[in-house]
Amino acid sequence: QQQVKQSPQSLIVQKGGISIINCAYENTAFDYFPWYQQFPGKGPALLIAIRPDVSEKKEGRFTISFNKSAKQFSLHIMDSQPGDSATYFCAARGWETSGSRLTFGEGTQLTVNP
Amino acid sequence: DVKVTQSSRYLVKRTGEKVFLECVQDMDHENMFWYRQDPGLGLRLIYFSYDVKMKEKGDIPEGYSVSREKKERFSLILESASTNQTSMYLCASRDGGANVLTFGAGSRLTVL
Repeated sequence: QQQVKQSPQSLIVQKGGISIINCAYENTAFDYFPWYQQFPGKGPALLIAIRPDVSEKKEGRFTISFNKSAKQFSLHIMDSQPGDSATYFCAARGWETSGSRLTFGEGTQLTVNP
Repeated sequence: DVKVTQSSRYLVKRTGEKVFLECVQDMDHENMFWYRQDPGLGLRLIYFSYDVKMKEKGDIPEGYSVSREKKERFSLILESASTNQTSMYLCASRDGGANVLTFGAGSRLTVL
C-alpha cells in the first residue's frame, strides 16, 4: 500500500525556472520527510529533509514547504539548472517495534532544458 | 565517506535460476535495506535488517529472501527468478541512530 503519493511523474522546465514537486502522505505518525536525488547510473542521495514542526526549510536553491494540516509537502528548486536534471524521490519516516523505515514516493523525473 | 558497494551492476538470468545480489558497506552500519526501483512505482522495500542475523520483511518480500551473516554484508536472494523480477535493485545502509540512508549504485537485473 503506497502511503506517500508524489506528483508529477515527470517535469520539464527551462533553465532559470522554478521546479515544483509535490507529495502527500496518509500516516500522521510520520515524523521526518527527506528528499532524495538520483542521477543516472547512481543511487539516490539525500538532498534535503524537514521535520513536521517547521513549515519551511531552505538550503541554497532547494526549499521544502511543509503543510502538516493538509499532510502535504513539496520541493521547490529555484533557478533550475541543467545539472539539476535527475530523478527526485520524496519519503516519509515511520516507526515500527524494531526501528524506523522510510516509505518513498513514486519519483519525479526532472529535465531542465538549457 | 560511507560506501555501499553492489558488486554486480548488470545481470542477465534465465527464468528459474537462483540469483544472488551482494551488497557490502564499509562504515560499520547496523541497518541495511534492499529496495526495488521500477518506473512509476518508486522505491519499494523488499527486506531489511537492523542487525547481524536479523531480517524483516518489507512491503514486497514475495519471491525474495535475504542473508546477513556479517555486519557489512547483506545479500538478496531470488530462489527462482521470474520475468516480473526484472528491475533495478538498490541496497542501502544506515547507522542505527541516523536518519540518512546511503545507497549503492544499483544492480540492474534482467530475467529472460
